[in-house]
Amino acid sequence: SDVLAQPPSVSVAPGETARVTCGGNNIGGKTVHWYQQKPGQAPMLVIYYDSGRPSGIPERFSGSKSGNTATLTISRVEAGDEAVYYCQVWQSSSDLVYVFGTGTKVSVL
Amino acid sequence: QVQLQESGPALVKPSQTLSLTCTVSGGSISSGSSYWHWIRQPAGQGLEWIGRIYPSGSTDYSPSLQGRVTISLDTSKTQFSLKLTSVTAADTAIYYCARDSDYGGYILDPWGQGTLVTVSS
Repeated sequence: SDVLAQPPSVSVAPGETARVTCGGNNIGGKTVHWYQQKPGQAPMLVIYYDSGRPSGIPERFSGSKSGNTATLTISRVEAGDEAVYYCQVWQSSSDLVYVFGTGTKVSVL
Repeated sequence: QVQLQESGPALVKPSQTLSLTCTVSGGSISSGSSYWHWIRQPAGQGLEWIGRIYPSGSTDYSPSLQGRVTISLDTSKTQFSLKLTSVTAADTAIYYCARDSDYGGYILDPWGQGTLVTVSS
């Protein structure tokens, strides 16, 4: 199955903008979802279908995709946004599988 | 609002079978068009999808675990289960159950809180 590459870490000052990328072969042809996982907690959906925002997720969270790279953008970062973020796609080219990215730790300085 | 809760033994011996149950509340497990999933996460590592089951009982499994994994439904108890045979230390992980999201297919939401399973003698 394809591998979704994410940077291991991103550091950002409060109030600034954090961008987390997710790259992989053929990601442009797939829909990308993003999850936030805080320490000791289960992952939580923050972006679906590339740019959709679930109810209750602040507008500061947005998603986009260009070519083979998807990006999660967190504007006006707050201390509570510190977490590991995972991208995810569904792949059916060879085997049916849900593929997760390697995860990015967003640290708020 | 659907909620999920994992349960099962926290310690399993090598070569034995890992068995977990996910109890669903706030919704029906047998009606609708949602898949029910198992995902795992070794300590300090990323997420791995294990497999899913449809209300009809149809299943799909990760190719890396195919042959060792079985997911089943118990609609009368609003539960679904995971069995993983011939476990090794590499199967030590937090195991999560989840459902297809109301926002569409192939999205995992919500998730249970997870349960840690350690494989050790």
